[in-house]
Amino acid sequence: GAGVSQSPSNKVTEKGKDVELRCDPISGHTALYWYRQSLGQGLEFLIYFQGNSAPDKSGLPSDRFSAERTGGSVSTLTIQRTQQEDSAVYLCASSLLHSGNQPQHFGDGTRLSIL
Amino acid sequence: AQKVTQAQTEISVVEKEDVTLDCVYETRDTTYYLFWYKQPPSGELVFLIRRNSFDEQNEISGRYSWNFQKSTSSFNFTITASQVVDSAVYFCALSHRGTPLVFGKGTRLSVIA
Repeated sequence: GAGVSQSPSNKVTEKGKDVELRCDPISGHTALYWYRQSLGQGLEFLIYFQGNSAPDKSGLPSDRFSAERTGGSVSTLTIQRTQQEDSAVYLCASSLLHSGNQPQHFGDGTRLSIL
Repeated sequence: AQKVTQAQTEISVVEKEDVTLDCVYETRDTTYYLFWYKQPPSGELVFLIRRNSFDEQNEISGRYSWNFQKSTSSFNFTITASQVVDSAVYFCALSHRGTPLVFGKGTRLSVIA
């Protein structure tokens, strides 16, 4: 597709359930990033991929969060045993390379609400 | 440590006024990159501009202009003759080679007709 695609757009789930968020980056982009944006807050870095490898997982808030990327393309962010503090907009971005100077292009995000 | 500060949480202006959004950054590296993004009510972050630390030339793109000053570690963004469509949250961000973006907390701009 022309841009970064994220699904679902909205997800409402009960506390304790697992959720999977999907990101389809711009074709040809080797770097993929996940961020979290809580209400009234800036963007919090979670994890990035260069190809299928995740060199930096330092931003993942807890071991309930995990992510994978397959085929150098689609990525899935999984949150297990969701808590109310996980409610946020989860944004995915991709860039041509992970080199710092490449602009990241963002998807529309997934708005996650934990009841 | 890298840090981006956007001291203005919210700004409200009347249409056609000029407005400047401030961004101050902290870094120990000599090579770094600065970005501005716009997040309209629809939610998608839109890339506006990138500057590298070796290029202090100011840039103008239509009604938008950016003033990069290393001496004050600032990268301010000015919108001339603001329009209602400029209403959004604007984020300033910083990165180095091989690091993810570090974002400021954003400035919410409201342009009133």
